[in-house]
Amino acid sequence: ELKVEQNPLFLSMQEGKNYTIYCNYSTTSDRLYWYRQDPGKSLESLFVLLSNGAVKQEGRLMASLDTKARLSTLHITAAVHDLSATYFCAVDEGNFGNEKLTFGTGTRLTIIP
Amino acid sequence: ETGVTQTPRHLVMGMTNKKSLKCEQHLGHNAMYWYKQSAKKPLELMFVYSLEERVENNSVPSRFSPECPNSSHLFLHLHTLQPEDSALYLCASSQVLGNGYTFGSGTRLTVV
Repeated sequence: ELKVEQNPLFLSMQEGKNYTIYCNYSTTSDRLYWYRQDPGKSLESLFVLLSNGAVKQEGRLMASLDTKARLSTLHITAAVHDLSATYFCAVDEGNFGNEKLTFGTGTRLTIIP
Repeated sequence: ETGVTQTPRHLVMGMTNKKSLKCEQHLGHNAMYWYKQSAKKPLELMFVYSLEERVENNSVPSRFSPECPNSSHLFLHLHTLQPEDSALYLCASSQVLGNGYTFGSGTRLTVV
């Protein structure tokens, strides 16, 4: 059974600081996704990582994937308040052309002014 | 709007009621999913439909019954629910071997 673990579960950080969220998973996969969820809202796709060594950046967020280590990171640079949300990683273990995402527990990020 | 529409947004139902959740997508995707999101728990995959055929049923109790009449519509029929079934129910769609899921806004279900 695929397990996806994120840490930390909760993160409070000051504006302007840098930090990294980690996502570890237990079986072989080269398809990993990051999502953002605001309170009471749905999940918004942030990044799609489809190969070992993939790196994607959007604004103050950068995601990377190391399939050999079964590890993805989401790095936040110079945090601002509107990045406060819960961030989920998800790993695709689908076969035969069907996607099947298993989600991590999420990291609730709070940016403090 | 993401292109995946869920109705209703909020639902309160008694344990003896029967209700249905609806999900609709017009993205041309060929797979649809139901997930359950409870407080303090990871997102739980409930059902997967690919090309209108159910390909996954993740040990979900029979009081939850999915229906996929075509590739654009997905329903979750509810009956005799328990209070612990109260959660946010999320629908998602994807293209086979595509770029992950597109989620709907969810239905917040409260069972009283």
